[in-house]
Amino acid sequence: EAGVTQFPSHSVIEKGQTVTLRCDPISGHDNLYWYRRVMGKEIKFLLHFVKESKQDESGMPNNRFLAERTGGTYSTLKVQPAELEDSGVYFCASSPGRMNTEAFFGQGTRLTVV
Amino acid sequence: AQSVTQLDSQVPVFEEAPVELRCNYSSSVSVYLFWYVQYPNQGLQLLLKYLSGSTLVKGINGFEAEFNKSQTSFHLRKPSVHISDTAEYFCAVTSDSSYKLIFGSGTRLLVRP
Repeated sequence: EAGVTQFPSHSVIEKGQTVTLRCDPISGHDNLYWYRRVMGKEIKFLLHFVKESKQDESGMPNNRFLAERTGGTYSTLKVQPAELEDSGVYFCASSPGRMNTEAFFGQGTRLTVV
Repeated sequence: AQSVTQLDSQVPVFEEAPVELRCNYSSSVSVYLFWYVQYPNQGLQLLLKYLSGSTLVKGINGFEAEFNKSQTSFHLRKPSVHISDTAEYFCAVTSDSSYKLIFGSGTRLLVRP
């Protein structure tokens, strides 16, 4: 069974550019989460989808971030325009049920904004 | 609000020595606790979890953790570490009322020969 897959693994972009991160959850997992880790700090929740619906986007930093999950399958996280403070590792996770059972994480996308 | 504190940012230890990685949490409701590990260039992998029942939880790779409600702690232990245990370890908490995981800032375990 394939795990959670994230693309790209690394991305270096200039300030002001747009970047789109993609996450393919484990097949059949209705819950999909995005998290972010800024250098040296804790991993922070960004948002949660149940199928194609956003259940909680309280962690999204600002309106430069847009997440979608069309058809309840893969998800994208777009940053437009990117700023220096957006640099970090973006993790995606999926789970079949409640988060307190087990969430499966992807390898993360390391985003560097220069 | 829930929070997690991992006091040690880095723990150096010699191979075959015991290790304890500390985790303290704060919460006003019943919690579920997790330890995740991130090996170099890999994603987060679940080591173990406490949902209910026995306060001593055994996980993969010989790790275990003990839930202590009175001290609001969930320290991770291994009696004898290997070089391959070198990684970053994250403690996390959630509850029945939330789908979010709240993470600590991580502890880098560096195992030396």
